[in-house]
Amino acid sequence: GAVVSQHPSRVICKSGTSVKIECRSLDFQATTMFWYRQFPKQSLMLMATSNEGSKATYEQGVEKDKFLINHASLTLSTLTVTSAHPEDSSFYICSGEGPVGEQFFGPGTRLTVL
Amino acid sequence: AQKITQTQPGMFVQEKEAVTLDCTYDTSDQSYGLFWYKQPSSGEMIFLIYQGSYDEQNATEGRYSLNFQKARKSANLVISASQLGDSAMYFCAMREGGWTGNQFYFGTGTSLTVIP
Repeated sequence: GAVVSQHPSRVICKSGTSVKIECRSLDFQATTMFWYRQFPKQSLMLMATSNEGSKATYEQGVEKDKFLINHASLTLSTLTVTSAHPEDSSFYICSGEGPVGEQFFGPGTRLTVL
Repeated sequence: AQKITQTQPGMFVQEKEAVTLDCTYDTSDQSYGLFWYKQPSSGEMIFLIYQGSYDEQNATEGRYSLNFQKARKSANLVISASQLGDSAMYFCAMREGGWTGNQFYFGTGTSLTVIP
């Protein structure tokens, strides 16, 4: 299957700092990428849909000024958590869309905000 | 209404036996896709199997098969000959809108434990 990488895999930061998470499709071009967050023992919650070359579409309740998404190329999307707070601590997962609409997921980034 | 319903929060199966993980879905679209993902403790979501709404035959991928019953709107995952490495969370998902839609819904997941 297609491979999606995420970097970093784990990050710990102080409250008030910004954190950038990169999502790359390594062996396919992903016109559309998705960003999710997942709390322990819960399902994935879609945050936003990122389309290459255009603005991201955010789900209801997700602050677009806090979670900045950039999809500058067909293989790279970035999520920046601005002015992170402890409640932003979570597992963030990105995915790239495959040919039949399946999503290939990155390994996830565990963010801990102190 | 929930788009994807997984009613089994936790399941246990003996090693080498088969297990069925339930999934029902709700959509009014004629064209949709159904997916199963596995999430081990490492956190990575692993794509297992896909079934299109127009596919007449049940999808199979190795030890995984999808029991697709369109009239009942169910898409159960069957894992044959369970292995210890199958212990993980399993998520059923649906994509609405055919090839161009991007509405993707996940169920709440089923935690599968394979007992040696």
